[in-house]
Amino acid sequence: GAVVSQHPSRVICKSGTSVKIECRSLDFQATTMFWYRQFPKQSLMLMATSNEGSKATYEQGVEKDKFLINHASLTLSTLTVTSAHPEDSSFYICSAPPGRLAESQETQYFGPGTRLLVL
Amino acid sequence: AQKVTQAQTEISVVEKEDVTLDCVYETRDTTYYLFWYKQPPSGELVFLIRRNSFDEQNEISGRYSWNFQKSTSSFNFTITASQVVDSAVYFCALSVYTGNQFYFGTGTSLTVIP
Repeated sequence: GAVVSQHPSRVICKSGTSVKIECRSLDFQATTMFWYRQFPKQSLMLMATSNEGSKATYEQGVEKDKFLINHASLTLSTLTVTSAHPEDSSFYICSAPPGRLAESQETQYFGPGTRLLVL
Repeated sequence: AQKVTQAQTEISVVEKEDVTLDCVYETRDTTYYLFWYKQPPSGELVFLIRRNSFDEQNEISGRYSWNFQKSTSSFNFTITASQVVDSAVYFCALSVYTGNQFYFGTGTSLTVIP
């Protein structure tokens, strides 16, 4: 079935550095991808909607200048956490709707997630 | 606005017991989808089921069963004869139309004690 991959799966960085997380749809095209954030023992919260060829749409309270999203192709969206701080440490998950919905019970394919730890 | 409530934060059961995870949702949309996902310690979400708003038929898949009741806006999940491998966090989620964002509940952490 369709798969969404994320890279890296885990990253540790120093405070103040920038970290880029990639989300790829491996065997289907995704004009839209979603980025979620999950703090320990909490739910997944939508951060932003990534749209191929246009600007991302951010949820209220999410700083667009801090979380840069680039959807440069139909199979790749990137999330860059700029000037990361310890409070940005979290589990980041992306998702994309499958191209052929009728063939799948899943309306979103989720990536395996990226664990970010900012020291 | 959409909202999913999972009132049970943590549940512990002894192996082979049955356990029901509750999910209550809110939406004004008439067409929506409900989901259950399993999240093991690795973090990766494992799809369990999707239910369409117009299909209230309950479903059974092996030891898993789901009870969808629009009258009470509930979509409960029952694991029969629980096993240690069932230990995980389970999320109920709502999507108001295909391809749109998911609204997740706060999750229920299930621990099955051997």
